[in-house]
Amino acid sequence: DSGVTQTPKHLITATGQRVTLRCSPRSGDLSVYWYQQSLDQGLQFLIQYYNGEERAKGNILERFSAQQFPDLHSELNLSSLELGDSALYFCASSFGGGHFGSEAFFGQGTRLTVV
Amino acid sequence: AQSVTQPDIHITVSEGASLELRCNYSYGATPYLFWYVQSPGQGLQLLLKYFSGDTLVQGIKGFEAEFKRSQSSFNLRKPSVHWSDAAEYFCAVFMKTSYDKVIFGPGTSLSVIP
Repeated sequence: DSGVTQTPKHLITATGQRVTLRCSPRSGDLSVYWYQQSLDQGLQFLIQYYNGEERAKGNILERFSAQQFPDLHSELNLSSLELGDSALYFCASSFGGGHFGSEAFFGQGTRLTVV
Repeated sequence: AQSVTQPDIHITVSEGASLELRCNYSYGATPYLFWYVQSPGQGLQLLLKYFSGDTLVQGIKGFEAEFKRSQSSFNLRKPSVHWSDAAEYFCAVFMKTSYDKVIFGPGTSLSVIP
């Protein structure tokens, strides 16, 4: 158990819909990272938040957005969903703010299926 | 353009045999390098990382990796594979360009024959 909690574990939704994925980081960790893993695109970094502020941005679509709340949990919002958004979405957390500057621990992911 | 390649999509080894998983990157400066393992249905677990210093890095579970600047490689090795090592292995490279950027390789699937 990495200490990073993601909910829900599975999500099935229709095209055009909007969903919210939630991540609770390990106790004491200030950074949260979001990743997408799909058969087509492989593993891609989406975005990082550190202590409530956006720190780094990767291949995140404009239809996607994220935020980190004062209690440090984070939410990834995916809107106008398309079939190609079906993927495993991972959250990771670390104490430091530099990307991978300190060890990042991964949650078990949320499996999103768009039908 | 920056990229990370893992030439071997799938590797099968016998238990007790040695293992080497290849990783090559394309980047103009010295990157930060990582190896992760993903067991079925699980998230990623960091095996080891290289930032600077000794180019031979020791990690968890008996793994090690060697950074070779001249070859732009960061190959993962283990002298004796255990059946529990069967998993997907990802090489990742952190690069500082105009913004922080992380690129993962496509992964190598490892099967272990008892």
